[in-house]
Amino acid sequence: QVQLQESGPGLVKPSQTLSLTCTVSGGSINSGTYYWTWIRQPAGKGLEWIGRIYTSGTTNYNPSLKSRLTISLDTSKNQFSLRLTSVTAADTAVYYCARDYYKHGEFRLDYWGQGTLVAVSS
Amino acid sequence: DIEMTQSPSSLSASVGDRITITCRASQSIRTYLSWYQHKPGKAPKLLIYAASSLQSGLPSRFSGSGSGTDFTLTISSVQPEDFATYYCLQSYGTPETFGQGTKVEIK
Repeated sequence: QVQLQESGPGLVKPSQTLSLTCTVSGGSINSGTYYWTWIRQPAGKGLEWIGRIYTSGTTNYNPSLKSRLTISLDTSKNQFSLRLTSVTAADTAVYYCARDYYKHGEFRLDYWGQGTLVAVSS
Repeated sequence: DIEMTQSPSSLSASVGDRITITCRASQSIRTYLSWYQHKPGKAPKLLIYAASSLQSGLPSRFSGSGSGTDFTLTISSVQPEDFATYYCLQSYGTPETFGQGTKVEIK
């Protein structure tokens, strides 16, 4: 059974960098069938797609975050990571990592982590 | 960005009711649409992909339909465990975009 687990600081100061890691177990992050995706949910709001990475290192980012965002892959640890610079209170959210199964041009987020709350506050 | 308009934003239902949630895309997304169930404090769960394909292991009371710009999620007989928030997600364009969510509450 595939499992994903987010980890990282729960509190980040404004203007600093938010860094999260997603550890994948029960399957290889190197499989060519999957992309690896980050999504977030601010309190009381809906879900926002942040971006994804493929095993080749190819990334797709939400343009609204692109200038501050880096998603990377560490195949040796079966992990992928999110790095968001210059954070503000608007970046306070529950952050989810997910596996994005790709087939015939379609994506589906078939496994998700439990989510981790990151607050941006001084 | 492709805008996904989901309705209603909330609904009340009794166990056994049939409910339908709709999503409308701002442009054609063919069948590149999936539906997710989200309960507080839990990981969202994939229900439907490719607009109408039921994710493996899920009960057949969940169904999806539509193509182009208009899509529906139907629960044929709502069960107690189905009370949650439901989201559609388009994967035709980048960035992928979610609907605003539909909270299904107990009447």
